[in-house]
Amino acid sequence: DTAVSQTPKYLVTQMGNDKSIKCEQNLGHDTMYWYKQDSKKFLKIMFSYNNKELIINETVPNRFSPKSPDKAHLNLHINSLELGDSAVYFCASSQDLRSNSPLHFGNGTRLTVT
Amino acid sequence: GNSVTQMEGPVTLSEEAFLTINCTYTATGYPSLFWYVQYPGEGLQLLLKATKADDKGSNKGFEATYRKETTSFHLEKGSVQVSDSAVYFCAHSMDTGRRALTFGSGTRLQVQP
Repeated sequence: DTAVSQTPKYLVTQMGNDKSIKCEQNLGHDTMYWYKQDSKKFLKIMFSYNNKELIINETVPNRFSPKSPDKAHLNLHINSLELGDSAVYFCASSQDLRSNSPLHFGNGTRLTVT
Repeated sequence: GNSVTQMEGPVTLSEEAFLTINCTYTATGYPSLFWYVQYPGEGLQLLLKATKADDKGSNKGFEATYRKETTSFHLEKGSVQVSDSAVYFCAHSMDTGRRALTFGSGTRLQVQP
């Protein structure tokens, strides 16, 4: 069984559209994250949730809205997509908020905005 | 502020060569340190970690030692294989309650047969 699964794997869409990426973890972890990886492989934290509570909300346009219906799921909705949103988005989870708790990553969603 | 700096790639080696990828960090306290590996088309996988000074993390022949005095966590492997070709990320994490991993920019390793 995949520990952290996100769908879809690929997403191609036009500017101005609204899209969602779903993430689920079956590890029983308390904490989930969204990271954005740009074309140069740089990883930047976007959001994190702990037990469904928003913990980190970095400088991200408010077109991006995370939703955590339960602690096993963290979805990412993006409104009015722009060309600059093209990237790979990774979902991750960790046992809890302790610093030595490693992150487990999904395989990523490659978003291409045309 | 908190940041992680790692050597730019790509690093190109022949099979069985010795590997070092340098990583240094800045932090206001004592972070936990990690190395992650990303194979093509996949997500990041934890390679090894160290949570306090002088700890050595090791896995699959890779090693890294937490050096507080030089704020470094260099990744080493004695004999690389073609299958080690990937992007390697150094990262740290603080016990701040808001914690998230802060990643370096990644170093691409290419191992040639």
